Amino acid sequence: AAGVIQSPRHLIKEKRETATLKCYPIPRHDTVYWYQQGPGQDPQFLISFYEKMQSDKGSIPDRFSAQQFSDYHSELNMSSLELGDSALYFCASSLAAWGSSYNEQFFGPGTRLTVL
Amino acid sequence: DAKTTQPPSMDCAEGRAANLPCNHSTISGNEYVYWYRQIHSQGPQYIIHGLKNNETNEMASLIITEDRKSSTLILPHATLRDTAVYYCIVRAYYNQGGKLIFGQGTELSVKP
Repeated sequence: AAGVIQSPRHLIKEKRETATLKCYPIPRHDTVYWYQQGPGQDPQFLISFYEKMQSDKGSIPDRFSAQQFSDYHSELNMSSLELGDSALYFCASSLAAWGSSYNEQFFGPGTRLTVL
Repeated sequence: DAKTTQPPSMDCAEGRAANLPCNHSTISGNEYVYWYRQIHSQGPQYIIHGLKNNETNEMASLIITEDRKSSTLILPHATLRDTAVYYCIVRAYYNQGGKLIFGQGTELSVKP
């Protein structure tokens, strides 16, 4: 079965550089979520999109922006990178399940960003 | 969303049942209990969820107390591959999904 695809899997950047992370949700899934997991920490919600519109926002820095495109893939753009941005970035997708009891989130393998 | 409390770590012998508790004393009537797990550095994985009835699927069982203030995730025959951090999350159901708030989970170590 198709899973969530994230690219790149590993990324090394210098301070003050920019980075773009990409997420390809499971086919037919209409909702995408981004999470950040720092070293030794629990995943933290950043932002989500439903049908290409931002649906919720967490503790995402102003230096970060994201969008969901017409083909439902999503990109997380990160500018002016800081050492503290080094983390695993997970994308998850789900399908709105009207009338169902739950629409589970399927997570991708993550992108490991290292800022030097 | 209601706050949850889980023990930081637990050990379990391979082949035995692993019982992972979760306290959610402030849970409200429309909030579900969800369990996810994260095997080292992999993306979290959905396990099971429930509202008030006990639930079972191919991975685990979820036992929710009658007052809904606590629950237990049961892995009936733990294997080494079940070693992971287990997260208990309480939140309302949204048709369009909804963010997951990961608190401190339980690090389960399954030992031979």
